[in-house]
Amino acid sequence: NAGVTQTPKFRILKIGQSMTLQCAQDMNHNYMYWYRQDPGMGLKLIYYSVGAGITDKGEVPNGYNVSRSTTEDFPLRLELAAPSQTSVYFCASIPGGGVGEQFFGPGTRLTVL
Amino acid sequence: AQTVTQSQPEMSVQEAETVTLSCTYDTSESDYYLFWYKQPPSRQMILVIRQEAYKQQNATENRFSVNFQKAAKSFSLKISDSQLGDAAMYFCAYSWYVGDDKIIFGKGTRLHILP
Repeated sequence: NAGVTQTPKFRILKIGQSMTLQCAQDMNHNYMYWYRQDPGMGLKLIYYSVGAGITDKGEVPNGYNVSRSTTEDFPLRLELAAPSQTSVYFCASIPGGGVGEQFFGPGTRLTVL
Repeated sequence: AQTVTQSQPEMSVQEAETVTLSCTYDTSESDYYLFWYKQPPSRQMILVIRQEAYKQQNATENRFSVNFQKAAKSFSLKISDSQLGDAAMYFCAYSWYVGDDKIIFGKGTRLHILP
């Protein structure tokens, strides 16, 4: 198993540009999550999904959108990038149902200039 | 609302010594999970240890152990025989099953290992 994979690893955007951060998992996990980690801080939940076709907002959803058309993929869309979205983005997944531990991807470092 | 607090932004320990990282949390739930994650410079989040709240016995993984005090809502991590590879950011995290299994993270403690 590859686990949770994220692409790209690094990206620089100009203000106002858009992009999609890709996340995929091959563990057949139902629950998937997107976090952002600002420098020196913990992780903040952006969006999450409890299954294909079901998504919900987390703590900091503004400026982002998600979709979940398959169990494996959970892309995060940034529209009209702003410097405040400069961060490291992590995708995570769990089987669901009270298991608890989250499996994390390697992260995407995004800089908006 | 559930919260996780790590009161030590940074700590240092001499190689081969023991260090304890503190974590407190706030919840009204009786059944939940607690975790310590390690984040080395590679940024990868690595699970160090986990504790189920219904278990009275403290979890142990090799050189890593926890002191879980449920009544006090405290969950500290002890690292014995510290090694240079233990240098990282450590995050305490809390999770409870409410149908979406969200995890709340603390702000982290940066651990330095002094050779």
